[in-house]
Amino acid sequence: EAGVAQSPRYKIIEKRQSVAFWCNPISGHATLYWYQQILGQGPKLLIQFQNNGVVDDSQLPKDRFSAERLKGVDSTLKIQPAKLEDSAVYLCASSLAAATFSGNTIYFGEGSWLTVV
Amino acid sequence: RKEVEQDPGPFNVPEGATVAFNCTYSNSASQSFFWYRQDCRKEPKLLMSVYSSGNEDGRFTAQLNRASQYISLLIRDSKLSDSATYLCVADNYGQNFVFGPGTRLSVLP
Repeated sequence: EAGVAQSPRYKIIEKRQSVAFWCNPISGHATLYWYQQILGQGPKLLIQFQNNGVVDDSQLPKDRFSAERLKGVDSTLKIQPAKLEDSAVYLCASSLAAATFSGNTIYFGEGSWLTVV
Repeated sequence: RKEVEQDPGPFNVPEGATVAFNCTYSNSASQSFFWYRQDCRKEPKLLMSVYSSGNEDGRFTAQLNRASQYISLLIRDSKLSDSATYLCVADNYGQNFVFGPGTRLSVLP
């Protein structure tokens, strides 16, 4: 079974530039998450989609971050304009459903490493 | 207060040692708990779920104390390959998952 696919793997941009990350979840997974992980910290949820609807975006810095999941499958996360503190790994993850139940777990992609200089 | 807190670490232990990690969570409504393992520069991967009665998977034992809102992970007979960061995870009102900051383990030869 194919895992969560992400691209690009690595990106270096200057501050105030824009960047976009793409994610393709595991087939059949209705729930898709974008997490931000800063070096030395645990992953922090940015946004959660259930199919193509937003379930939770309470921690998404909406003045500069945006995300969409058209057609309920692939998703893109955009940052514009980028700041130095946005340097992090952006992890896309998916799970079968939003509600937690026995056996429901999250599977992560390899991440997109962003460096803002 | 952070929703999920973990021992700060790092833990440096010799091969064969037993090591225990602790985790506390603030949301009393949380129902599902997990331990994830994250290798350096890799994505987190599920190590094990944590059940109310406690559960064991080989050298790994996880326990949950709902009254104290406390989760633990015990690793027996540590191997060099156990060196990683261990992330404690709790669900957020059954909607999504909150990760702790992680505890780094280094198993030394």
